[in-house]
Amino acid sequence: AQSVTQLDSHVSVSEGTPVLLRCNYSSSYSPSLFWYVQHPNKGLQLLLKYTSAATLVKGINGFEAEFKKSETSFHLTKPSAHMSDAAEYFCVVSEGGGYQKVTFGTGTKLQVIP
Amino acid sequence: EPEVTQTPSHQVTQMGQEVILRCVPISNHLYFYWYRQILGQKVEFLVSFYNNEISEKSEIFDDQFSVERPDGSNFTLKIRSTKLEDSAMYFCASSRDREKLFFGSGTQLSVL
Repeated sequence: AQSVTQLDSHVSVSEGTPVLLRCNYSSSYSPSLFWYVQHPNKGLQLLLKYTSAATLVKGINGFEAEFKKSETSFHLTKPSAHMSDAAEYFCVVSEGGGYQKVTFGTGTKLQVIP
Repeated sequence: EPEVTQTPSHQVTQMGQEVILRCVPISNHLYFYWYRQILGQKVEFLVSFYNNEISEKSEIFDDQFSVERPDGSNFTLKIRSTKLEDSAMYFCASSRDREKLFFGSGTQLSVL
């Protein structure tokens, strides 16, 4: 069975400082991993995905994530936070090749302080 | 960029009533999904739909739930007799090739 844990429900950073949103997963198989972002009153938007190619994955808006099998982690980072990054972020794991059955984390709300 | 559209954005209903949540997927997409998120909890998979039939469903998706693609553009989720615990944000999603999922903005369902 697969599961995903987002270690922080809220993260607060100052504008211009680095962002780190943590995600750990468990999976019986080689998983696919995703990060989604949800801005207020908007749908879920895919930031990036890992599907067993390069372990360092670059996404949109300057975000990236590194798949670390030994640590079962897939943390999301960004070197410098913008005000527009304030949103909720979801880590997602799928054991299948596609989206037939995915498991979402509980989400991390990112606050960016001016 | 094309979007998945969900209507209504908010739906309030009485317990025991039927509700239909509507979604218009992106026009050339072939795979369709419903997820839900109860307040403060994880987003949960409900059902996936391909080639006019359900391809997978979760244990949440019991006989009270049904999905339909009535006219080639809409994708609906029906809850036959709503319960208080059905109150949640319901997300529709579509995909052309299952490699990238596009989500709608959700319908907030409140069952009173």
